Amino acid sequence: AQTVTQSQPEMSVQEAETVTLSCTYDTSESDYYLFWYKQPPSRQMILVIRQEAYKQQNATENRFSVNFQKAAKSFSLKISDSQLGDAAMYFCAYRFSNTGNQFYFGTGTSLTVIP
Amino acid sequence: DTEVTQTPKHLVMGMTNKKSLKCEQHMGHRAMYWYKQKAKKPPELMFVYSYEKLSINESVPSRFSPECPNSSLLNLHLHALQPEDSALYLCASSQERGQGGFTGELFFGEGSRLTVL
Repeated sequence: AQTVTQSQPEMSVQEAETVTLSCTYDTSESDYYLFWYKQPPSRQMILVIRQEAYKQQNATENRFSVNFQKAAKSFSLKISDSQLGDAAMYFCAYRFSNTGNQFYFGTGTSLTVIP
Repeated sequence: DTEVTQTPKHLVMGMTNKKSLKCEQHMGHRAMYWYKQKAKKPPELMFVYSYEKLSINESVPSRFSPECPNSSLLNLHLHALQPEDSALYLCASSQERGQGGFTGELFFGEGSRLTVL
């Protein structure tokens, strides 16, 4: 079974500090894409960052970066210099690179940013 | 244009009503999706259309009927819903493999919040 585990249902971080959200997944495939999506309250789900499994270099997007450990099947998200607008549900997800349109989502982490 | 547009944003319906949710994208994506989402939960896949053909149906009750009239439009027809069907319904699109510059990610609309009385 394809599973994604986000072990932190809720996290909080002080404004301007750094927080790391964890994600592990289980698949026997070797070629896939990994994603972090952000969903602010009552707002649209948007892509934060994506990683292709064949790339060893960790993806970065401004204040957002990932720690991708393929052997450990771990894909954590680091948010630096946290801002009030980072408060949201964060979902980790993956899909296979070569077949199908199935996306596997984790259960989500609710991030609170404390002013 | 990187938008997926969903209408209506809010819908209240009785259990005997018939209504439709609509979704539109102009990014040239050839895969379109319907997801159901409950509060603070991940989206649950309902249907996927690939090149305008239904490719995934996740055993969704027949009171939900999808339709893909063309490559830009996706509808979800609702009939005889139950109160437990109240949720946020998300439309999404993605490129299909073979489309130039395949990046794999989903683009989501803002959702249609459905309340069934």
